[in-house]
Amino acid sequence: KAGVTQTPRYLIKTRGQQVTLSCSPISGHRSVSWYQQTPGQGLQFLFEYFSETQRNKGNFPGRFSGRQFSNSRSEMNVSTLELGDSALYLCASSGGSGGGEQYFGPGTRLTVT
Amino acid sequence: GQNIDQPTEMTATEGAIVQINCTYQTSGFNGLFWYQQHAGEAPTFLSYNVLDGLEEKGRFSSFLSRSKGYSYLLLKELQMKDSASYLCAVIPLGGYNKLIFGAGTRLAVHP
Repeated sequence: KAGVTQTPRYLIKTRGQQVTLSCSPISGHRSVSWYQQTPGQGLQFLFEYFSETQRNKGNFPGRFSGRQFSNSRSEMNVSTLELGDSALYLCASSGGSGGGEQYFGPGTRLTVT
Repeated sequence: GQNIDQPTEMTATEGAIVQINCTYQTSGFNGLFWYQQHAGEAPTFLSYNVLDGLEEKGRFSSFLSRSKGYSYLLLKELQMKDSASYLCAVIPLGGYNKLIFGAGTRLAVHP
């Protein structure tokens, strides 16, 4: 069974630009969660989608948004990029409706210059 | 809210046993999880506890005491490949799949 995939793996953007990251969950998984990982703040929850609905949102500004498609693939978008948005963005999928194992993808390394 | 504390760094010797502690202050949670993350890689699931007690999975065991606000991960027969960060996380009540992570414990295993 293929794991969680994320594209692109690496991205360099300029301050003020916007970026879209993609995540394909494990086949059959309907829940996709997004996390931001930085050396200073660690792993922080961004949001979770289940069957195309956002169920939870972390404490991030409105510049961070996401969506999920009917095939469970998910995208997250960051608009008006800031230097502090440089991070590893991880998505995780889960086969359950809540509270179970989550499987992480390899992440997208975003660098904002 | 949730506040999760773990030691920042630990060192241990190959073949030994190490216990990584996690203490938390939280209004309630559905489960407590442990993840392993090697440098430059994604976190991988190790174990989770819903009820108090010990969960054993091969060389790894995890323990939870809700009344004491305490969990630990026990790694036996340490191998060099166990050098990694170990992350403690909870899913708050009503949080569905929202994981709240501690800062992680960086474990260095030496010969």
